[in-house]
Amino acid sequence: EAGVAQSPRYKIIEKRQSVAFWCNPISGHATLYWYQQILGQGPKLLIQFQNNGVVDDSQLPKDRFSAERLKGVDSTLKIQPAKLEDSAVYLCASSLGTSGRGYNEQFFGPGTRLTVL
Amino acid sequence: AQTVTQSQPEMSVQEAETVTLSCTYDTSESDYYLFWYKQPPSRQMILVIRQEAYKQQNATENRFSVNFQKAAKSFSLKISDSQLGDAAMYFCAYRSAISNFGNEKLTFGTGTRLTIIP
Repeated sequence: EAGVAQSPRYKIIEKRQSVAFWCNPISGHATLYWYQQILGQGPKLLIQFQNNGVVDDSQLPKDRFSAERLKGVDSTLKIQPAKLEDSAVYLCASSLGTSGRGYNEQFFGPGTRLTVL
Repeated sequence: AQTVTQSQPEMSVQEAETVTLSCTYDTSESDYYLFWYKQPPSRQMILVIRQEAYKQQNATENRFSVNFQKAAKSFSLKISDSQLGDAAMYFCAYRSAISNFGNEKLTFGTGTRLTIIP
């Protein structure tokens, strides 16, 4: 079974430029997550999709970050314009996604390391 | 809001020895999951072990086991017979047990860097 795919693996940009990250979840996974991991910290959820709908974007800086999941499969996360503090690893994860009491493991991709100069 | 605290930024252990990583958490919920994730230099988060809060029995996965103290809100990871491949960042994480399509997010601690000494 193929895992969560992300690209690019690395990206270096100058501040005020824009950047986009791509994620392809595991086939059949309804729930997709984007996490931001700043150096020395644990990952923090930016946005969660259920199919192609947003269920939690409370920690997404909406003035500069946007994300979409068209057709409920792959997803893109965009930053425009980038700031120095956006330097981080951006992790994508997916899970089967069900309601009620139950556990569906989140599977993580390899992440994209963004450096903003 | 839930919080997860890892007070050991770095730990080291001799190969083949045992090491324990600490984690405490704060929540008002009674039904939740706790996890330990491993993140090697490749950056991919790998699930090591999972504990369900309503289960009193501590979870075990081969050389990895946990000490879950619900009343104390403590969740430590013990690695027995440490191997060179165990070297990585280890993150403790929390998740609500009830899924409402919006609260399945993982809340992570700041991590512990584990070094294995040959």
